[in-house]
Amino acid sequence: QSALTQPASVSGSPGQSITISCTGASSDVGNYNLVSWYQQYPGKAPKLIIYEDTKRPSGVSNRYSGSKSGNTASLTISGLQAEDEADYHCCSYAGSSTLVFGGGTTLTVL
Amino acid sequence: EVQLVQSGAEVKKPGESLKISCKGAGYSFTRHWIGWVRQMPGKGLEWMGTIFPGDSDTRYSPSFQGQVTISADKSISTAYLQWSSLKASDSAMYYCARRVGLSTYEFDYWGHGTLVTVSS
Repeated sequence: QSALTQPASVSGSPGQSITISCTGASSDVGNYNLVSWYQQYPGKAPKLIIYEDTKRPSGVSNRYSGSKSGNTASLTISGLQAEDEADYHCCSYAGSSTLVFGGGTTLTVL
Repeated sequence: EVQLVQSGAEVKKPGESLKISCKGAGYSFTRHWIGWVRQMPGKGLEWMGTIFPGDSDTRYSPSFQGQVTISADKSISTAYLQWSSLKASDSAMYYCARRVGLSTYEFDYWGHGTLVTVSS
């Protein structure tokens, strides 16, 4: 069970859109519609922002969207704002009631 | 209001045992899986395992199987993560989190984390 692959860092300017990728395998990301994304500020607990590949929990900004193609899931943040600067983690169901996370991506708003 | 309240920070020596806790409140504790997630300093999240407090059904990540024990006491709405012999490499922040539903796998509520430091 290998960790999902995320870029270590991404950056963008206010108002732009950025996309964070999360690459897994046919045994996890590619086999289930069960990728979730979490936002984490320094020193804080993670917060769920996307679940089941594309769904947004109540209260989460519609600037956050999820998608998937094959074994790669993606998180897109549109209209980038300073408050979006945080770490982002993807997570996928991997069968047999197990989960696997990605290594996390640090988003910097320039 | 749903809350997961974790026990406080711990400082231990290598070889010592430890049990940290996560108390659920504001929802039916026995009807949601509770997961434990490790975050080593400056690193990503790692799923360690999950327990269903209703019947103590427990699943472990292969990476943590045999290294830790996850348990729960439904009478006091509390889940636990324990080590029998700590190593320096166990130093990390540990989060508990509630899984949304029986057949869903995302975590909607998280504890504030318990920092474990293992040092001689």
